Amino acid sequence: GEDVEQSLFLSVREGDSSVINCTYTDSSSTYLYWYKQEPGAGLQLLTYIFSNMDMKQDQRLTVLLNKKDKHLSLRIADTQTGDSAIYFCAESFRGGYQKVTFGIGTKLQVIP
Amino acid sequence: GAVVSQHPSWVICKSGTSVKIECRSLDFQATTMFWYRQFPKQSLMLMATSNEGSKATYEQGVEKDKFLINHASLTLSTLTVTSAHPEDSSFYICSALQSRQETQYFGPGTRLLVL
Repeated sequence: GEDVEQSLFLSVREGDSSVINCTYTDSSSTYLYWYKQEPGAGLQLLTYIFSNMDMKQDQRLTVLLNKKDKHLSLRIADTQTGDSAIYFCAESFRGGYQKVTFGIGTKLQVIP
Repeated sequence: GAVVSQHPSWVICKSGTSVKIECRSLDFQATTMFWYRQFPKQSLMLMATSNEGSKATYEQGVEKDKFLINHASLTLSTLTVTSAHPEDSSFYICSALQSRQETQYFGPGTRLLVL
């Protein structure tokens, strides 16, 4: 079955790097996503990675994928207070054509 | 590009009334839209997949007569919560499939409170 797990909370100091981890169970997942949700708001797609990739970098964001262990991580370099939000790990089999299965979300708190 | 809007953003209603939520893709056409529900401190759960011009496909456990979905055009899908009850209070988020990018873009969500 499909299951996506992530830790509930992460606290970092401004300027440090944040690493949010996620594990998933569905080995047929082809797309793995990171979404950001600010309080009371909808979801913002931050980045995604295909299952045949190991790493993707986009400015301050680095996504690492260990397909063997079904482990996905999101690293935010030079974390800012504006990065405080809930970060959802998600996966899907056929990209956006089928449902996206979300983790419970990791609340990132950035301390000034 | 790839902007999705929802209306209303907030709705408070009495128990037993029906509430309609609109989801629009503003700058692209979406043959497929999705409706998710998010309870407090929980993740998003897919309720149904909405296809333009055909019946929606509901996830297991979601009552189709309770949550009516209409996808009448390539830019608009509506979700009607019929005879709403307090347990229907939730955050409802839609997404629209941008086919070329194979990516779902999410709306800002609608917070429903049923008294």
